[in-house]
Amino acid sequence: ETGVTQTPRHLVMGMTNKKSLKCEQHLGHNAMYWYKQSAKKPLELMFVYNFKEQTENNSVPSRFSPECPNSSHLFLHLHTLQPEDSALYLCASSREIRPASGTYNEQFFGPGTRLTVL
Amino acid sequence: DAKTTQPPSMDCAEGRAANLPCNHSTISGNEYVYWYRQIHSQGPQYIIHGLKNNETNEMASLIITEDRKSSTLILPHATLRDTAVYYCIVRGHYKLSFGAGTTVTVRA
Repeated sequence: ETGVTQTPRHLVMGMTNKKSLKCEQHLGHNAMYWYKQSAKKPLELMFVYNFKEQTENNSVPSRFSPECPNSSHLFLHLHTLQPEDSALYLCASSREIRPASGTYNEQFFGPGTRLTVL
Repeated sequence: DAKTTQPPSMDCAEGRAANLPCNHSTISGNEYVYWYRQIHSQGPQYIIHGLKNNETNEMASLIITEDRKSSTLILPHATLRDTAVYYCIVRGHYKLSFGAGTTVTVRA
């Protein structure tokens, strides 16, 4: 157990559905991340939040909509997805991001949500 | 971030040390070397990181060459549960950029 939980672990949805992925961290961290891992491809960073503020959107299509209501919770809202969006979606958290300090905190990952879009 | 080069796969015998190489010849002075691993169908797990000096923790040892252009992750006594994809990442800011990694298979 890493202290980062994700629900659901598996999700099958049609292209017209709306669903949400949930991530919760119990580590007292202030930065949270969404990654996508497609088959045979490296992990791709999607979004970054630092103290509930979005600091990174890595050119992610608008059919993926993140939400960070507080430092412990992160959501990824999904709507009108495509079959190529099928992947493992991973959430991670770390201590706050302070670029000026020159130190980079370890990221702790959840187990992921395996998403299949039909 | 500096690019890293790792062998795509390697086998290791259970109980023996596993030495995982990583080349990062374009690393700059303020970039750290990080290692993560990903066991099948799980999220990546932090292993160790270092800047210049060799580092050791309860999971592994990290040996960085004096010129910092390459490093080796050492799993001292590999077990079957160490079978995973191991990622060497050179990190100069808060982002982690994962490559293809090395698929390590520990055999009984």
